[in-house]
Amino acid sequence: GAGVSQSPSNKVTEKGKDVELRCDPISGHTALYWYRQSLGQGLEFLIYFQGNSAPDKSGLPSDRFSAERTGGSVSTLTIQRTQQEDSAVYLCASSLYSTGYVNEQFFGPGTRLTVL
Amino acid sequence: AQSVTQPDIHITVSEGASLELRCNYSYGATPYLFWYVQSPGQGLQLLLKYFSGDTLVQGIKGFEAEFKRSQSSFNLRKPSVHWSDAAEYFCAVVNPYSSASKIIFGSGTRLSIRP
Repeated sequence: GAGVSQSPSNKVTEKGKDVELRCDPISGHTALYWYRQSLGQGLEFLIYFQGNSAPDKSGLPSDRFSAERTGGSVSTLTIQRTQQEDSAVYLCASSLYSTGYVNEQFFGPGTRLTVL
Repeated sequence: AQSVTQPDIHITVSEGASLELRCNYSYGATPYLFWYVQSPGQGLQLLLKYFSGDTLVQGIKGFEAEFKRSQSSFNLRKPSVHWSDAAEYFCAVVNPYSSASKIIFGSGTRLSIRP
């Protein structure tokens, strides 16, 4: 079956521009995560969606970052007024959800963002 | 706060040699523990996980890891590495009491294989 897909695979943008990164989770997975992988910070959690619950935004580094998940499936991570320190690989993961149990998160290939 | 430490940034071993990658965690209770592998240009793949029970866990690709509560460690091992094992390896934890299950990753260890 299809895994987690992300688009675009690479994005080069100029400082100050807005970017949108897309994630298509595995069908049936109700939990969706965004992580960022950068040279200085390693792999860090950004945001978590579960069904219709309010997202856990505790990892978003600034108010320039936002994400939404429409219809409980596709998610878009938006970075406004990009800065050079936003350059990183943005990873999306999805998992089944069950109360009291940690399910495996399946990761997409990532979007490499370069801010010039 | 939870944290994960991988003290080795880069390790090189000869093909066929044994491998041990170190991981230590800091957490008040025993977290859920994971090892992920990231091959060049690939996404993260789960190698193995520990939730409870037997402290020696087997994973895919011939890897195993041992949970040692007294040392707060979860080291990854493989008896004989193959050239295809060259990749970045991440130890990770999840707070078992959190509904979010967000992963806290170590900084990673890059493994190179000497022919």
